[in-house]
Amino acid sequence: AQRVTQPEKLLSVFKGAPVELKCNYSYSGSPELFWYVQYSRQRLQLLLRHISRESIKGFTADLNKGETSFHLKKPFAQEEDSAMYYCALRTDSWGKLQFGAGTQVVVTP
Amino acid sequence: EAGVAQSPRYKIIEKRQSVAFWCNPISGHATLYWYQQILGQGPKLLIQFQNNGVVDDSQLPKDRFSAERLKGVDSTLKIQPAKLEDSAVYLCASSLSTGNSPLHFGNGTRLTVT
Repeated sequence: AQRVTQPEKLLSVFKGAPVELKCNYSYSGSPELFWYVQYSRQRLQLLLRHISRESIKGFTADLNKGETSFHLKKPFAQEEDSAMYYCALRTDSWGKLQFGAGTQVVVTP
Repeated sequence: EAGVAQSPRYKIIEKRQSVAFWCNPISGHATLYWYQQILGQGPKLLIQFQNNGVVDDSQLPKDRFSAERLKGVDSTLKIQPAKLEDSAVYLCASSLSTGNSPLHFGNGTRLTVT
């Protein structure tokens, strides 16, 4: 069965500290993974996708097929990173996404 | 570009009543999705349209939920009759096409069933 697991509901970090959001997936096919973010009072939006292998707003994520993980990392958290983060798995060629339950990140000064 | 538009933003109804949500996707986006997000959970796909055809409605509770996209542009999602467990945020998203195109989400409609 396809599944996306985000084990942490809440991550509280200090400004300038590293932050890592965990995402594990279960999928028998070739996975495509994404991170979406929702800032306060804003709509859900794409942060990054594994096929792009890019850094967005200082965040990176590496797909580890051996560990079936797609953890999101940032070396120095900023207050503006406070948001809800969702890991998502594309499960078919039609583009359908399956989302994890989300991790709330709170960055305190 | 204008984003995905949804209305209303909020709706409160009593159980067994009916309700409808409206979505206008980004111009030119062929694919439209309706997701249900219950408090504390991630969005769950209800139905996906490609133009005006249904691609996937496997998780749509068809005894009470219905959706249409008659002209391949706007879409409506209806619940009749509503149950308490339908309280959620209903998100509409669109994408340029299937495959690698990113999803663009609307602000959602927050439904409370009392």
